[in-house]
Amino acid sequence: DAGVTQSPTHLIKTRGQQVTLRCSPKSGHDTVSWYQQALGQGPQFIFQYYEEEERQRGNFPDRFSGHQFPNYSSELNVNALLLGDSALYLCASSPIGVGATEAFFGQGTRLTVV
Amino acid sequence: DAKTTQPNSMESNEEEPVHLPCNHSTISGTDYIHWYRQLPSQGPEYVIHGLTSNVNNRMASLAIAEDRKSSTLILHRATLRDAAVYYCILRANTDKLIFGTGTRLQVFP
Repeated sequence: DAGVTQSPTHLIKTRGQQVTLRCSPKSGHDTVSWYQQALGQGPQFIFQYYEEEERQRGNFPDRFSGHQFPNYSSELNVNALLLGDSALYLCASSPIGVGATEAFFGQGTRLTVV
Repeated sequence: DAKTTQPNSMESNEEEPVHLPCNHSTISGTDYIHWYRQLPSQGPEYVIHGLTSNVNNRMASLAIAEDRKSSTLILHRATLRDAAVYYCILRANTDKLIFGTGTRLQVFP
């Protein structure tokens, strides 16, 4: 089992551009969550997808959007990039549950906005 | 979202036990207590979780206070590989994980 895989691992973009990050969940998992981790901080919840719909969302602007495909893989899109969007973006997958399920994280995509 | 409070950093020597504390005085009855750790340049890794009773697994033990307002993650014999940031998280039925700043554990040979 490959676990959670994310691509690309590193990315450099220019302010104002758009970026798409990709995530393949662990086999058997149908729920995907995205997190943003700034340097020296804990991960911050962006949103969660289940059954191809956004199930819940954290305190992030509409520039951050996502999608989940029928095979449960997911994309995170960020429009009009700002310097402050530079961070490690983490994807986590889990089976749908109510608090007792373990989440598996990918290695993340390091996004640098210049 | 219920919050947790952890010390910013802790130190240990290799092969000694480590007790990482966490306070969560606003915990609700349905909140599970989860611990994750993050090694340098990696995504967070699940360690252990519990609801009311103490829990053991191959990685660690979780001791939960009777009133559930605090908990302690116990690493029985620290190794250099255990050096990481440890996050104590309350996870409700919404499934999202709310991370704080965690405890940075340093392990010395």
